[in-house]
Amino acid sequence: DTAVSQTPKYLVTQMGNDKSIKCEQNLGHDTMYWYKQDSKKFLKIMFSYNNKELIINETVPNRFSPKSPDKAHLNLHINSLELGDSAVYFCASSHLGQGNSYGYTFGSGTRLTVV
Amino acid sequence: QQPVQSPQAVILREGEDAVINCSSSKALYSVHWYRQKHGEAPVFLMILLKGGEQKGHEKISASFNEKKQQSSLYLTASQLSYSGTYFCGTAKGGGNMLTFGGGTRLMVKP
Repeated sequence: DTAVSQTPKYLVTQMGNDKSIKCEQNLGHDTMYWYKQDSKKFLKIMFSYNNKELIINETVPNRFSPKSPDKAHLNLHINSLELGDSAVYFCASSHLGQGNSYGYTFGSGTRLTVV
Repeated sequence: QQPVQSPQAVILREGEDAVINCSSSKALYSVHWYRQKHGEAPVFLMILLKGGEQKGHEKISASFNEKKQQSSLYLTASQLSYSGTYFCGTAKGGGNMLTFGGGTRLMVKP
């Protein structure tokens, strides 16, 4: 199946731990993204990445870092987890076009709970 | 800058129409529309790239007024399957980060 796949689907961890979420797309897209959706359903962009450029939303703490081993993968590493990091994290991908002229395909999300 | 969506929520009976608005204080190059059902990922509906452009997708269509920096999503003869939260996403200039509005929760009842 062509898709954007994320693992794990659920992640429960203690404060202070470091965790990673993996994302892979087989759509041939050249740009990938990470979004955070909080309990009020607000979707916030965290990162945009293609093989030329990483764009970081300035409001994202530097405890969060994207790692891309190749253009089909964009993993999210989170250090020193805090209670406020609890949310659903969505990976997405698209073709790169001027001004976002292509639709995004989202992964199914990872529900992160920090206790 | 996050686009502003209105209304925040709407309840319809099957067959009724609805309009969801999205406005921005910044000049826009494109407007995306997505639907998210409970517990699922957002799903792409359509994108509008030009001022005054209108697009259609089954009984769902949208318009984009570039001068007013606004887009509207039109749902006609709503079906139960239209229930979900609708998000507009906007991009400034040539940037490739989409910023989403706060969402409009739509519930269609039998």
